[in-house]
Amino acid sequence: GIQVEQSPPDLILQEGANSTLRCNFSDSVNNLQWFHQNPWGQLINLFYIPSGTKQNGRLSATTVATERYSLLYISSSQTTDSGVYFCAVASNYGQNFVFGPGTRLSVLP
Amino acid sequence: DTAVSQTPKYLVTQMGNDKSIKCEQNLGHDTMYWYKQDSKKFLKIMFSYNNKELIINETVPNRFSPKSPDKAHLNLHINSLELGDSAVYFCASSQGGNGGGYTGELFFGEGSRLTVL
Repeated sequence: GIQVEQSPPDLILQEGANSTLRCNFSDSVNNLQWFHQNPWGQLINLFYIPSGTKQNGRLSATTVATERYSLLYISSSQTTDSGVYFCAVASNYGQNFVFGPGTRLSVLP
Repeated sequence: DTAVSQTPKYLVTQMGNDKSIKCEQNLGHDTMYWYKQDSKKFLKIMFSYNNKELIINETVPNRFSPKSPDKAHLNLHINSLELGDSAVYFCASSQGGNGGGYTGELFFGEGSRLTVL
């Protein structure tokens, strides 16, 4: 089945810093999503982005499907950005979403 | 109005007991899922149903039995609970997801934290 890798596994930032999270996947996909799992455990949809670039406030994402990767940019980070960021993909032939192992982000005040 | 809701949010029970978790979605999606999140935060698919039909059953012990009475509901029953079943169980839904080459945006419930003592 499709493999999903995320880097870095852990990231510590000072408030106000910028960061880039990466997701690599091993096969063609028809869906890619980024989620934020907050410290209370809720999985929050950030982007539905099988290709192209999207922006939502301080966050933006880019997926280059032909090269099998996606990037999530966080600018001017805030303590509320802390948590785990997951990339999830649905392959063209699969029947479900496969999740990467996540990037654990800690933003310090 | 909650899109994907699951109950209960917390379950604490003894080994050997049977428990159920219920899930409902009001998004009009045709596919529903159960995911398990272990202590290392890894999210793994357990089951998926498309229009009440079982699509995915990922090497889950027979003690776990999903049931979908209609496409808006997917319940999970667990028999003879074991310590290793302790985890957070997430219900989710999407449009598509039956292997037909299109899978729409995935939405999650808030999770049900199961603790087996």
